[in-house]
Amino acid sequence: QTVVTQEPSLTVSPGGTVTLTCASSTGAVTSAYHPTWFQQKPGQAPRALIYSTNNKYSWTPARFSGSLLGGKAALTLSGVQPEDEADYYCLLYYGLPRVIGGGTKLIVL
Amino acid sequence: EVQLVESGGGLVQPGGSLRLSCAASGFIFSDYYLSWVRQAPGKGLEWVAVMNQDGTQRDHVDSVKGRFTISRDNAKNSLYLQMNSLRAEDTAVYYCARDQGLAGGLDSWGQGTLVTVSP
Repeated sequence: QTVVTQEPSLTVSPGGTVTLTCASSTGAVTSAYHPTWFQQKPGQAPRALIYSTNNKYSWTPARFSGSLLGGKAALTLSGVQPEDEADYYCLLYYGLPRVIGGGTKLIVL
Repeated sequence: EVQLVESGGGLVQPGGSLRLSCAASGFIFSDYYLSWVRQAPGKGLEWVAVMNQDGTQRDHVDSVKGRFTISRDNAKNSLYLQMNSLRAEDTAVYYCARDQGLAGGLDSWGQGTLVTVSP
């Protein structure tokens, strides 16, 4: 069974920079897995932020960026705002099946 | 505006069945893959199932294979999830999402419908 692993939680100060990562149990994450990132706040449905590694939606704030880093997918927030405190999930495509990571709780403190 | 509205959730006993629906609007339904994703109370997201545009390809997460079946009716702009042999661990909010793969990921989500499996 394929497992996608994310940091359980990270803490960042307002205005700071933080990088969340997403690893696959099958090996290095490449662009072929089309890494996708979501943000979810309490009581809300997930909201897509990044698709296919580093592509933003029209609604994605400029401070969010996606990349590949050391064999993992990465989501970097630069100039973190208090409203960025949320859960963040990555999704990887393994052909037809998809797998979502366990999520990272980002604390802005 | 893309809209996805789930329905059909509720309380069901272990071993029971339920059929979830997802009504879509604001886009050409038959042009897109669609996925179901669930979230158990206080837990993370779990991808459940996917179906391609014309219904000829589908896949499910191992934990629901043989019990859940994804389907769609393009004439009704609707996606479904038939859930049989329900277990307590299937208790979750179930979301449908438009799934664009490399072209856009899961870009639009419904608000979800709650399924509770309990005696």
